[in-house]
Amino acid sequence: GAVVSQHPSWVICKSGTSVKIECRSLDFQATTMFWYRQFPKQSLMLMATSNEGSKATYEQGVEKDKFLINHASLTLSTLTVTSAHPEDSSFYICSARGGAVSYEQYFGPGTRLTVT
Amino acid sequence: GQNIDQPTEMTATEGAIVQINCTYQTSGFNGLFWYQQHAGEAPTFLSYNVLDGLEEKGRFSSFLSRSKGYSYLLLKELQMKDSASYLCAVTANTGFQKLVFGTGTRLLVSP
Repeated sequence: GAVVSQHPSWVICKSGTSVKIECRSLDFQATTMFWYRQFPKQSLMLMATSNEGSKATYEQGVEKDKFLINHASLTLSTLTVTSAHPEDSSFYICSARGGAVSYEQYFGPGTRLTVT
Repeated sequence: GQNIDQPTEMTATEGAIVQINCTYQTSGFNGLFWYQQHAGEAPTFLSYNVLDGLEEKGRFSSFLSRSKGYSYLLLKELQMKDSASYLCAVTANTGFQKLVFGTGTRLLVSP
């Protein structure tokens, strides 16, 4: 149980376009979902926290107008990278909490974004 | 704010024991996690400590001292597949109990 999926697993887009990444909890209701970004050989950096039905809470330094987060249901959160630039190329990982073990976050497999 | 430190890289030999340390400074501490991450993959949960002491789970053990702001992950009987990054993460009793990750330790196990 407690499976989180992400789609797509990888995407290549042109500079200036927008990309949407989906994060789904498959077998539990996720009250809270988190979005992370990870650059090569670096650790995970939290970008934002989203709760179903409310606005996301962004970490300091993360542009909310560039990284749009929507948590429309208890099983789906989306991250849209708007007007993508090459420096946005990264590994984006979501996690979800709300499974049987209250303290644990369950991670999705990640999405590799490359902006050309 | 929160500050979490780990060694950047460690090397060890197959069959040996390795200890990966993590020191942290945070207000409202509410638990410490260890994750394993292979390159290009998502982190996988290893352990969770909220009280002082040692938690043992097979070849992996994790220790926490809240008063010292210190934890370690102990890996026994190392195998080649243990080559990965090991991430220490702390959660605080504020907001949404988000995880703040340390820099991660890249472990290379050699034959």
